[in-house]
Parts: sequence; C-alpha cells; structure tokens
Amino acid sequence: NAGVTQTPKFQVLKTGQSMTLQCAQDMNHEYMSWYRQDPGMGLRLIHYSVGAGITDQGEVPNGYNVSRSTTEDFPLRLLSAAPSQTSVYFCASSPTGLSPYEQYFGPGTRLTVT
Amino acid sequence: AQSVAQPEDQVNVAEGNPLTVKCTYSVSGNPYLFWYVQYPNRGLQFLLKYITGDNLVKGSYGFEAEFNKSQTSFHLKKPSALVSDSALYFCAVRAPGGATNKLIFGTGTLLAVQP
Repeated sequence: NAGVTQTPKFQVLKTGQSMTLQCAQDMNHEYMSWYRQDPGMGLRLIHYSVGAGITDQGEVPNGYNVSRSTTEDFPLRLLSAAPSQTSVYFCASSPTGLSPYEQYFGPGTRLTVT
Repeated sequence: AQSVAQPEDQVNVAEGNPLTVKCTYSVSGNPYLFWYVQYPNRGLQFLLKYITGDNLVKGSYGFEAEFNKSQTSFHLKKPSALVSDSALYFCAVRAPGGATNKLIFGTGTLLAVQP
C-alpha cells in the first residue's frame, strides 16, 4: 500500500493563479480531508468528504473547492491564489463510522503564493 | 464548540528524563482524544487515542497518555525521553457521535530532547 499520496511536494504560484493539489489513497477509506498547517495555528480543516459524491466545509473553506468523484481521489482546488494561502497542505484519510478511527496523513504540499 | 489547548509552545527535556506534553480540551459529552507526532518535513503520524475505559492509554514508541475527566486533560507522557523523540506533537479531539471523523487540533508543542 502506498497509503496517502500528495502531489506536488512544492509549488510556487503568483497571486491570482489557480491550481489543483492532488490527493489519493489506496486503503479504500471513505473519509478524506484537507488541512492547512500554519505556524502557531496548528492544523485547520478546510474541507472533508465522507464518501464519493459527498463533500462539506471545514473551518477555513474560503478560496478552496473540492470534489470527490471516486473513493480514491480528493483534489483541492485553489481558484485564485492569494498570499494568505501560503501554507503547508495535508490530506488525510480514514474509515468512517461511529468509531473514532485514526487518520492517515500524506507527506504534505508546501505552497508559496507571491 | 469543541476546542483543544496545548499551553506550551515548546518543552525541553534532557535525554533519559521523563517528559510530559500537556493538552486540555473542551467538548460536550465524552470526547475521543488523540495524539499525533510530526517529524520535520513529514506528515502527521498517529501515536495513541482514548475512546473509553482505562484512563491510561499506551501507544507507539513507548508513549502513553492519561485521560482526566475532572480536569478535562489528556497529557502525553514518556518515562524516559530519547533524542529521537524530538518532534512536533499535536493533541486532537473528536466529538462523540456522528459518522464523520472530523478532528479539531491543538496548536502543537515542539518537544526538544537534549543529549
């Protein structure tokens, strides 16, 4: 199993550009989520999904879109990049249900917006 | 609203000494609590979790955590620190009930173990 994979590892964007951060998992997990990590802020939830075709907003969804057309993939789209979106982005997955399953994290994408 | 607080930005400890990384939480009902570790330039790795039952939870790499309902705390501990334990540690809480696995994370505590 590759686990949770993220591409690219690093990205530099200019203000106003758009891009998609890719996330894939091969563990057949229903739950997938995107977090951003900023110094002193911990991890904040951007969007999450409990299965193909179902997505919902987290704490900080503005400026980001997601879709979930398959169980394996959960891409995060930046519509018009802003310097405030400079961050490290992590994708995570887990089974879903009443039990509190541990989440599996990808290696992260470091994004810089100039 | 759910929240998690990690009151220390950094904890310094000498190798071989016991370590404690503090976490307090605020959630309605009985919480599900987690500890994750992040090594430099890596994603987070699961250490341990509390669901119910024994207040002392044992996890990976010799770590354990003590759940204290009256103090709403879930402190991470290890009897003897290693230099390789140096990393960023996150406490997280999930509210009970529901079918999603949404977690609220604390701001993280950097653990520095000196040789």
